[in-house]
Amino acid sequence: DAGITQSPRHKVTETGTPVTLRCHQTENHRYMYWYRQDPGHGLRLIHYSYGVKDTDKGEVSDGYSVSRSKTEDFLLTLESATSSQTSVYFCAAAPGQGGEKLFFGSGTQLSVL
Amino acid sequence: EDKVVQSPLSLVVHEGDTVTLNCSYEVTNFRSLLWYKQEKKAPTFLFMLTSSGIEKKSGRLSSILDKKELSSILNITATQTGDSAIYLCAVLSYNTDKLIFGTGTRLQVFP
Repeated sequence: DAGITQSPRHKVTETGTPVTLRCHQTENHRYMYWYRQDPGHGLRLIHYSYGVKDTDKGEVSDGYSVSRSKTEDFLLTLESATSSQTSVYFCAAAPGQGGEKLFFGSGTQLSVL
Repeated sequence: EDKVVQSPLSLVVHEGDTVTLNCSYEVTNFRSLLWYKQEKKAPTFLFMLTSSGIEKKSGRLSSILDKKELSSILNITATQTGDSAIYLCAVLSYNTDKLIFGTGTRLQVFP
Protein backbone atom coordinates (compact mmCIF):
# COMPACT_ATOMS: atom_id res chain seq x y z
CA ASP A 1 0.00 0.00 0.00
CA ALA A 2 3.08 2.27 -0.16
CA GLY A 3 2.35 3.81 3.22
CA ILE A 4 -1.18 5.07 2.58
CA THR A 5 -3.52 4.99 5.54
CA GLN A 6 -7.19 5.87 5.48
CA SER A 7 -9.25 6.61 8.54
CA PRO A 8 -11.75 5.64 9.64
CA ARG A 9 -12.04 2.23 7.99
CA HIS A 10 -15.78 2.11 8.59
CA LYS A 11 -18.27 4.82 9.46
CA VAL A 12 -22.03 4.96 9.89
CA THR A 13 -23.60 8.39 10.05
CA GLU A 14 -26.94 10.09 9.68
CA THR A 15 -28.22 12.21 6.84
CA GLY A 16 -27.32 15.86 7.25
CA THR A 17 -24.27 15.40 9.43
CA PRO A 18 -20.79 16.49 8.35
CA VAL A 19 -18.22 13.77 7.77
CA THR A 20 -14.46 14.00 7.25
CA LEU A 21 -12.36 11.16 5.87
CA ARG A 22 -8.60 11.29 6.24
CA CYS A 23 -5.85 10.01 4.01
CA HIS A 24 -2.27 9.96 5.22
CA GLN A 25 0.78 8.98 3.17
CA THR A 26 4.37 8.49 4.23
CA GLU A 27 6.02 8.52 0.78
CA ASN A 28 5.99 12.26 0.12
CA HIS A 29 4.05 11.77 -3.12
CA ARG A 30 2.98 14.94 -4.89
CA TYR A 31 -0.37 13.75 -6.25
CA MET A 32 -3.25 12.52 -4.13
CA TYR A 33 -6.72 11.45 -5.17
CA TRP A 34 -10.08 10.62 -3.67
CA TYR A 35 -12.27 8.10 -5.49
CA ARG A 36 -15.60 6.53 -4.66
CA GLN A 37 -16.53 3.04 -5.78
CA ASP A 38 -20.10 1.94 -6.35
CA PRO A 39 -21.51 -1.16 -8.04
CA GLY A 40 -21.88 -0.59 -11.77
CA HIS A 41 -19.80 2.59 -11.72
CA GLY A 42 -16.27 1.49 -11.05
CA LEU A 43 -13.97 4.05 -9.49
CA ARG A 44 -15.06 7.67 -9.95
CA LEU A 45 -12.80 10.59 -9.18
CA ILE A 46 -14.13 13.03 -6.60
CA HIS A 47 -11.25 15.48 -6.11
CA TYR A 48 -7.52 15.39 -6.52
CA SER A 49 -4.52 17.38 -5.43
CA TYR A 50 -1.32 18.15 -7.31
CA GLY A 51 0.44 19.80 -4.40
CA VAL A 52 -0.06 21.46 -1.04
CA LYS A 53 -3.11 23.72 -1.24
CA ASP A 54 -3.53 22.82 -4.96
CA THR A 55 -6.70 20.87 -5.60
CA ASP A 56 -9.15 20.37 -8.43
CA LYS A 57 -12.48 18.75 -9.04
CA GLY A 58 -13.08 15.32 -10.46
CA GLU A 59 -16.15 13.93 -12.18
CA VAL A 60 -18.37 13.59 -9.08
CA SER A 61 -17.34 16.51 -6.86
CA ASP A 62 -20.77 17.89 -5.91
CA GLY A 63 -21.34 17.65 -2.16
CA TYR A 64 -17.65 17.11 -1.40
CA SER A 65 -14.77 19.37 -0.49
CA VAL A 66 -11.10 18.62 0.11
CA SER A 67 -8.13 20.19 1.79
CA ARG A 68 -4.41 19.55 1.65
CA SER A 69 -2.46 21.66 4.10
CA LYS A 70 0.49 19.23 4.25
CA THR A 71 2.01 16.94 1.65
CA GLU A 72 1.15 13.85 3.67
CA ASP A 73 -2.51 14.55 4.45
CA PHE A 74 -5.51 14.83 2.14
CA LEU A 75 -8.91 15.31 3.75
CA LEU A 76 -12.29 14.67 2.15
CA THR A 77 -15.30 16.37 3.72
CA LEU A 78 -18.96 15.72 3.16
CA GLU A 79 -20.50 18.95 4.37
CA SER A 80 -23.97 17.46 4.85
CA ALA A 81 -24.05 13.74 4.18
CA THR A 82 -26.80 12.24 2.02
CA SER A 83 -27.79 8.62 1.45
CA SER A 84 -26.45 8.85 -2.12
CA GLN A 85 -22.99 9.29 -0.63
CA THR A 86 -23.07 5.82 0.87
CA SER A 87 -20.09 4.23 -0.83
CA VAL A 88 -16.58 2.89 -0.47
CA TYR A 89 -14.05 5.71 -0.62
CA PHE A 90 -10.48 5.13 -1.77
CA CYS A 91 -7.58 7.46 -1.42
CA ALA A 92 -4.62 7.12 -3.74
CA ALA A 93 -1.22 8.78 -4.08
CA ALA A 94 1.42 8.97 -6.77
CA PRO A 95 4.72 10.78 -7.35
CA GLY A 96 3.57 11.72 -10.86
CA GLN A 97 0.32 11.80 -12.75
CA GLY A 98 -1.12 8.40 -11.85
CA GLY A 99 0.34 5.61 -13.92
CA GLU A 100 2.19 2.62 -12.60
CA LYS A 101 3.09 4.28 -9.34
CA LEU A 102 -0.46 5.01 -8.22
CA PHE A 103 -0.95 3.40 -4.82
CA PHE A 104 -4.26 2.99 -3.08
CA GLY A 105 -5.30 2.94 0.54
CA SER A 106 -7.50 0.15 1.86
CA GLY A 107 -10.71 2.12 1.58
CA THR A 108 -13.35 3.57 3.91
CA GLN A 109 -16.82 2.06 3.95
CA LEU A 110 -19.25 4.93 4.61
CA SER A 111 -22.92 4.33 5.27
CA VAL A 112 -25.30 7.30 5.47
CA LEU A 113 -28.63 6.38 7.04
CA GLU B 1 -15.61 14.05 -22.03
CA ASP B 2 -13.07 11.30 -21.42
CA LYS B 3 -14.64 7.86 -21.18
CA VAL B 4 -13.57 4.29 -20.49
CA VAL B 5 -15.83 1.30 -21.15
CA GLN B 6 -15.07 -2.25 -20.09
CA SER B 7 -16.67 -5.49 -21.17
CA PRO B 8 -17.98 -7.85 -20.13
CA LEU B 9 -19.19 -6.55 -16.78
CA SER B 10 -19.00 -10.02 -15.31
CA LEU B 11 -17.44 -13.32 -16.29
CA VAL B 12 -17.64 -16.78 -14.73
CA VAL B 13 -15.17 -19.47 -15.84
CA HIS B 14 -13.61 -22.70 -14.62
CA GLU B 15 -10.01 -23.17 -13.66
CA GLY B 16 -7.81 -23.68 -16.69
CA ASP B 17 -9.93 -21.56 -19.01
CA THR B 18 -8.48 -18.61 -20.91
CA VAL B 19 -10.26 -15.27 -20.61
CA THR B 20 -10.10 -12.00 -22.52
CA LEU B 21 -11.19 -8.74 -20.94
CA ASN B 22 -11.86 -5.68 -23.06
CA CYS B 23 -11.37 -1.98 -22.52
CA SER B 24 -12.22 0.80 -24.97
CA TYR B 25 -11.59 4.47 -24.43
CA GLU B 26 -12.27 7.95 -25.70
CA VAL B 27 -9.75 10.44 -24.40
CA THR B 28 -8.25 13.65 -25.65
CA ASN B 29 -4.50 13.49 -26.11
CA PHE B 30 -4.03 9.92 -24.88
CA ARG B 31 -1.01 9.30 -22.66
CA SER B 32 -1.33 5.80 -21.19
CA LEU B 33 -3.71 2.96 -20.36
CA LEU B 34 -3.42 1.01 -17.14
CA TRP B 35 -4.80 -2.26 -15.80
CA TYR B 36 -5.39 -2.88 -12.12
CA LYS B 37 -6.54 -5.93 -10.17
CA GLN B 38 -8.85 -5.47 -7.20
CA GLU B 39 -9.39 -8.42 -4.91
CA LYS B 40 -10.88 -7.60 -1.56
CA LYS B 41 -9.79 -4.04 -1.03
CA ALA B 42 -7.30 -1.74 -2.72
CA PRO B 43 -6.61 -2.05 -6.47
CA THR B 44 -3.08 -3.12 -7.33
CA PHE B 45 -1.19 -2.24 -10.48
CA LEU B 46 -0.80 -4.81 -13.28
CA PHE B 47 0.31 -3.11 -16.50
CA MET B 48 0.82 0.25 -18.10
CA LEU B 49 0.61 0.59 -21.89
CA THR B 50 1.66 3.61 -23.88
CA SER B 51 2.15 4.53 -27.49
CA SER B 52 5.73 3.32 -27.17
CA GLY B 53 4.93 0.16 -25.22
CA ILE B 54 1.84 -1.48 -26.60
CA GLU B 55 2.32 -5.01 -25.29
CA LYS B 56 3.11 -6.25 -21.81
CA LYS B 57 3.33 -9.74 -20.32
CA SER B 58 3.74 -11.11 -16.84
CA GLY B 59 3.38 -14.82 -16.30
CA ARG B 60 -0.09 -15.90 -17.38
CA LEU B 61 -1.27 -12.31 -17.86
CA SER B 62 -0.71 -10.26 -20.95
CA SER B 63 -2.11 -7.05 -22.37
CA ILE B 64 -2.12 -5.34 -25.73
CA LEU B 65 -2.97 -1.78 -26.72
CA ASP B 66 -4.62 -1.17 -30.08
CA LYS B 67 -4.04 2.51 -30.79
CA LYS B 68 -6.06 2.41 -33.98
CA GLU B 69 -9.14 0.90 -32.36
CA LEU B 70 -8.64 2.87 -29.11
CA SER B 71 -8.87 -0.27 -27.06
CA SER B 72 -6.95 -2.77 -25.02
CA ILE B 73 -7.36 -6.39 -24.04
CA LEU B 74 -6.18 -8.23 -20.95
CA ASN B 75 -5.63 -11.95 -21.44
CA ILE B 76 -5.36 -14.46 -18.64
CA THR B 77 -4.41 -18.00 -19.60
CA ALA B 78 -4.83 -21.15 -17.48
CA THR B 79 -6.96 -19.27 -14.97
CA GLN B 80 -6.76 -20.09 -11.28
CA THR B 81 -9.15 -19.38 -8.42
CA GLY B 82 -6.70 -16.74 -7.24
CA ASP B 83 -7.43 -14.77 -10.42
CA SER B 84 -10.94 -14.06 -9.13
CA ALA B 85 -11.14 -10.30 -8.79
CA ILE B 86 -12.40 -7.11 -10.36
CA TYR B 87 -10.14 -5.99 -13.19
CA LEU B 88 -10.06 -2.25 -13.73
CA CYS B 89 -8.93 -0.36 -16.80
CA ALA B 90 -7.97 3.31 -16.59
CA VAL B 91 -6.65 5.93 -18.99
CA LEU B 92 -4.51 9.00 -18.49
CA SER B 93 -4.44 12.04 -20.76
CA TYR B 94 -1.62 14.50 -21.31
CA ASN B 95 -4.20 17.25 -20.83
CA THR B 96 -5.12 16.51 -17.22
CA ASP B 97 -3.78 14.96 -14.05
CA LYS B 98 -6.79 12.68 -13.78
CA LEU B 99 -6.83 8.91 -14.11
CA ILE B 100 -10.25 7.91 -15.46
CA PHE B 101 -11.45 4.39 -14.65
CA GLY B 102 -13.89 2.09 -16.36
CA THR B 103 -16.61 0.21 -14.49
CA GLY B 104 -14.48 -2.90 -14.16
CA THR B 105 -14.95 -6.56 -15.08
CA ARG B 106 -15.73 -8.98 -12.28
CA LEU B 107 -14.03 -12.32 -12.95
CA GLN B 108 -14.99 -15.40 -10.98
CA VAL B 109 -12.94 -18.55 -11.43
CA PHE B 110 -14.41 -21.76 -10.03
CA PRO B 111 -12.48 -24.99 -9.39
